[in-house]
Amino acid sequence: QSALTQPASVSGSPGQSITISCTGTTSDVGGHNYVSWHQQHPGKAPKLIISRVSNRPSGVSNRFSGSKSGNTASLTISGLQAEDEADYYCNSFTSSHTVVFGGGTKLTVL
Amino acid sequence: EVQLVESGGGVVQPGGSLRLSCAASGFTFSNYWMHWVRQAPGKGLVWVSRVTTEGSGSDYADSVKGRFTVSRDNAKNTLYLQMNSLRADDTAVYYCTRSLTYGSGDFDYWGQGTLVSVSS
Repeated sequence: QSALTQPASVSGSPGQSITISCTGTTSDVGGHNYVSWHQQHPGKAPKLIISRVSNRPSGVSNRFSGSKSGNTASLTISGLQAEDEADYYCNSFTSSHTVVFGGGTKLTVL
Repeated sequence: EVQLVESGGGVVQPGGSLRLSCAASGFTFSNYWMHWVRQAPGKGLVWVSRVTTEGSGSDYADSVKGRFTVSRDNAKNTLYLQMNSLRADDTAVYYCTRSLTYGSGDFDYWGQGTLVSVSS
């Protein structure tokens, strides 16, 4: 159950787009379409922003989008806003019937 | 309104036990797989365990297998996590959460978390 690999940090200026990658294996990201992304602000509980690779829950801004290619999933945030500054976590269902998270990515809006 | 409220956290000595509870309201609790996710201070999210809708099936992260037991009481709309043989690296905020799709990680509602501190 090794954690999925995410960059530790990314940054962008307001209005720009950024992409966060999430790399796993054929036993998790590459083997299923159950990849989710959560946003977490300091001191708060996480919030689901993408489910099943690319589905946006009701109420989540369409500036957030998800995709997957092979063993790597990606979260793209377009039109960066100050409120997007947070930690982002991917996770995936695994062939062992467990869930594995990525290590998290800290997004800084410059 | 969906609510998940954890309780039972606290300070415990290494080797000790603790039982966490999560009271659910605002939705049909018995229709959802439920999970525990933890976060050590300053660290990332780590999946801990999950239980099926009826409580007949469960899975665990390798790090807690054999020490933690997840269960639920659908009549009381409550999820539990029995934690035994606690170690310092179990220190974390423990979140109760539900998944939209069976046992996958699309956790759409989270509790506020309860802090477990394992220290002598």
